[in-house]
Amino acid sequence: NAGVMQNPRHLVRRRGQEARLRCSPMKGHSHVYWYRQLPEEGLKFMVYLQKENIIDESGMPKERFSAEFPKEGPSILRIQQVVRGDSAAYFCASSPGESNQPQHFGDGTRLSIL
Amino acid sequence: GQNIDQPTEMTATEGAIVQINCTYQTSGFNGLFWYQQHAGEAPTFLSYNVLDGLEEKGRFSSFLSRSKGYSYLLLKELQMKDSASYLCAVQRRGSTLGRLYFGRGTQLTVWP
Repeated sequence: NAGVMQNPRHLVRRRGQEARLRCSPMKGHSHVYWYRQLPEEGLKFMVYLQKENIIDESGMPKERFSAEFPKEGPSILRIQQVVRGDSAAYFCASSPGESNQPQHFGDGTRLSIL
Repeated sequence: GQNIDQPTEMTATEGAIVQINCTYQTSGFNGLFWYQQHAGEAPTFLSYNVLDGLEEKGRFSSFLSRSKGYSYLLLKELQMKDSASYLCAVQRRGSTLGRLYFGRGTQLTVWP
């Protein structure tokens, strides 16, 4: 009964390096969402993907950030040339797609930039 | 943007009842979710309201008034394990149907 799986749980990078965050949705879910959470703040939407398609990326910075959800394999959130301000918890959620179905969240990846 | 307001912190004692309010201002409102999040863990789904009225699920109930842009989460028979952050999230119709707009969360502390 696997839920949404994210890895790694913790990721440390130096400024200028690349960070890759992975998310495998729940079985039967074809919709994936990425959110970012800063301390003392709410979850902020970044991007919404279906298999091989980006549906809504309006919450994702135009530069350095990209996301994909290939036909095979997990969804990837990629942050290039990381800066200190990228330090946050990144959560992935998945849903079957119908509007009345809740999004189920993974345990998140805590990204720390040195 | 979306204005979603909920109290930052609340405290209550074990066995008591607590009501966590959430107000929102948004166009194209479709539905409202409540999630529970323990520190360092994933948000977990509690309830979903799309029509006016009360949805009851065990010790937890959620109410929605679409005309007032208002919801509350009611927790009964509080237990220590209910100490967590409670997140209100709004869903909009249309092209942004997939995304949720979250409030900052209400940190609930339950005392023995």
